[in-house]
Amino acid sequence: ILNVEQSPQSLHVQEGDSTNFTCSFPSSNFYALHWYRWETAKSPEALFVMTLNGDEKKKGRISATLNTKEGYSYLYIKGSQPEDSATYLCALFPSNTGKLIFGQGTTLQVKP
Amino acid sequence: DTEVTQTPKHLVMGMTNKKSLKCEQHMGHRAMYWYKQKAKKPPELMFVYSYEKLSINESVPSRFSPECPNSSLLNLHLHALQPEDSALYLCASSQKGPGQGRNEKLFFGSGTQLSVL
Repeated sequence: ILNVEQSPQSLHVQEGDSTNFTCSFPSSNFYALHWYRWETAKSPEALFVMTLNGDEKKKGRISATLNTKEGYSYLYIKGSQPEDSATYLCALFPSNTGKLIFGQGTTLQVKP
Repeated sequence: DTEVTQTPKHLVMGMTNKKSLKCEQHMGHRAMYWYKQKAKKPPELMFVYSYEKLSINESVPSRFSPECPNSSLLNLHLHALQPEDSALYLCASSQKGPGQGRNEKLFFGSGTQLSVL
């Protein structure tokens, strides 16, 4: 069973701090890696879908990198704001299955 | 309209009850998914419908019965559930099926929080 691991499990930062967290996985044999942002009482919302060419993706203050050789992806948030408080999920689409496998998420709390 | 709508938001049921969860999208997506999430755990795939046909069943017990009446609707019928089935049930959709659209993002509903007493 493929394990997608995210660390840390939770994170508390001050407004204005920059932060990053990790998604790691054991295989480079996959089609895509997804990042989702999930605010409390709302729907998970896609941030990025990253493919094997390993492009850096950017959306405003949030960016993500993918290292397929060593099996990890980083999500960076520059100048965290209280509205960034959410759980960030990564998910892998392995080559040998038709399904997305999720990590358990990193919960970010940004204090004003 | 980029929403996936799930009803009800909360459901409490007894072990002998029959209930249904509903999911609707009007984005023209051809794949729809049911995920189950227990607290502090990753969402786990239950079922995938692709072009209104069941394409993936992750060995889910038969007390969960999915139905896709048309391309916009997805139901999950519940019967004789156990307390350990209490969880958040998430519906999602994507433009194409998982085999064709591996690089596509999923659009999620906000879930139904189910409690089985």
